[in-house]
Amino acid sequence: GIQVEQSPPDLILQEGANSTLRCNFSDSVNNLQWFHQNPWGQLINLFYIPSGTKQNGRLSATTVATERYSLLYISSSQTTDSGVYFCAVGQGGSEKLVFGKGTKLTVNP
Amino acid sequence: DADVTQTPRNRITKTGKRIMLECSQTKGHDRMYWYRQDPGLGLQLIYYSFDVKDINKGEISDGYSVSRQAQAKFSLSLESAIPNQTALYFCATSDSPIISDTQYFGPGTRLTVL
Repeated sequence: GIQVEQSPPDLILQEGANSTLRCNFSDSVNNLQWFHQNPWGQLINLFYIPSGTKQNGRLSATTVATERYSLLYISSSQTTDSGVYFCAVGQGGSEKLVFGKGTKLTVNP
Repeated sequence: DADVTQTPRNRITKTGKRIMLECSQTKGHDRMYWYRQDPGLGLQLIYYSFDVKDINKGEISDGYSVSRQAQAKFSLSLESAIPNQTALYFCATSDSPIISDTQYFGPGTRLTVL
């Protein structure tokens, strides 16, 4: 099956710093989502982005489907950005999302 | 009110007990999913349902069963719980892929099997 690799596995930042999280996938996809899991375990949708670029406030994402990767950018990080960021991809219909192992982000004040 | 709700939020049980986790949604979506998350890992799909009459196994369905009682309700059962089923369980929903492939997740149920 399709493989999803996220890097780095852990990232520690000072408040105000910028960061880039990467998601590589091993096959073509027609569904790609980024999620933020907060320290209480809740999963929050960030982007649905099987291709192209999207921005939402301090966050933006770019997926280059032909090269099988996606990037999540976080600018001017805040302590509330801490948590685990997951990339999940799907092929065919949306019946199956395959998740990466996540990037654990810690933003220190 | 939350669009996707899960009950209970936390549960501690003993090996061999039957457990049911419930999921309800007010989003009007046809598609519903159950995932499991183990510590330090991503989510794995247990079962999914495209409508009330459609149930499909995911990656890790062994030891689990599901029931789609209505469009809005999707339950996950552990017939005889075992300690390695200790995990965080998530329910999710999505609309028809013609409209959107985005999946929306509930708050999770933390299950501990002793």
